[in-house]
Amino acid sequence: AQSVTQPDIHITVSEGASLELRCNYSYGATPYLFWYVQSPGQGLQLLLKYFSGDTLVQGIKGFEAEFKRSQSSFNLRKPSVHWSDAAEYFCAVNTGFQKLVFGTGTRLLVSP
Amino acid sequence: DGGITQSPKYLFRKEGQNVTLSCEQNLNHDAMYWYRQDPGQGLRLIYYSQIVNDFQKGDIAEGYSVSREKKESFPLTVTSAQKNPTAFYLCASSSRLAGVVDTQYFGPGTRLTVL
Repeated sequence: AQSVTQPDIHITVSEGASLELRCNYSYGATPYLFWYVQSPGQGLQLLLKYFSGDTLVQGIKGFEAEFKRSQSSFNLRKPSVHWSDAAEYFCAVNTGFQKLVFGTGTRLLVSP
Repeated sequence: DGGITQSPKYLFRKEGQNVTLSCEQNLNHDAMYWYRQDPGQGLRLIYYSQIVNDFQKGDIAEGYSVSREKKESFPLTVTSAQKNPTAFYLCASSSRLAGVVDTQYFGPGTRLTVL
């Protein structure tokens, strides 16, 4: 069965430091991959997506992600974290017929 | 402004009562979805609809029901058969039909608490 693993439940990063959130997927065919961000009590906002082509994709708010087929990974990165980036981040894979499978999320804490 | 609205934002229900959560979109999207979110479990698909008057069960449909009478509306009813209904419910929509991958956009959510 298709699955998405986000191995880090919580991550704390100092403001201004770089960030990498890990995502691994299990899916036999070509994956369609997404990163969403959720602030407390809010809906999910799309950060970026990978469908095909260049394996390094740029998103909103200065985020980027790199698709590595050999490692079944789609890690999210940001070179310099701002306090407003504190939120929960979800990786998701589309398994066909519009069904999204989500990871369990990584909560990002930003320290001053 | 185009978007997805969910109402109410907070909902309280007594055990044994059915309750309906509203989801409306003005994005002209064909497909709509309902997810349930519990702490530490990510999002799980309850029901989805790819076209008016048609819908399919997701991974956790037991105790829930939906209807899709209009393209812009996809209400979710949480019935008394749902064993543990307290959760955060998210509605989403996307523009493509089955078999074509497209991006899902989410509403702000409804927090349901059973007293």
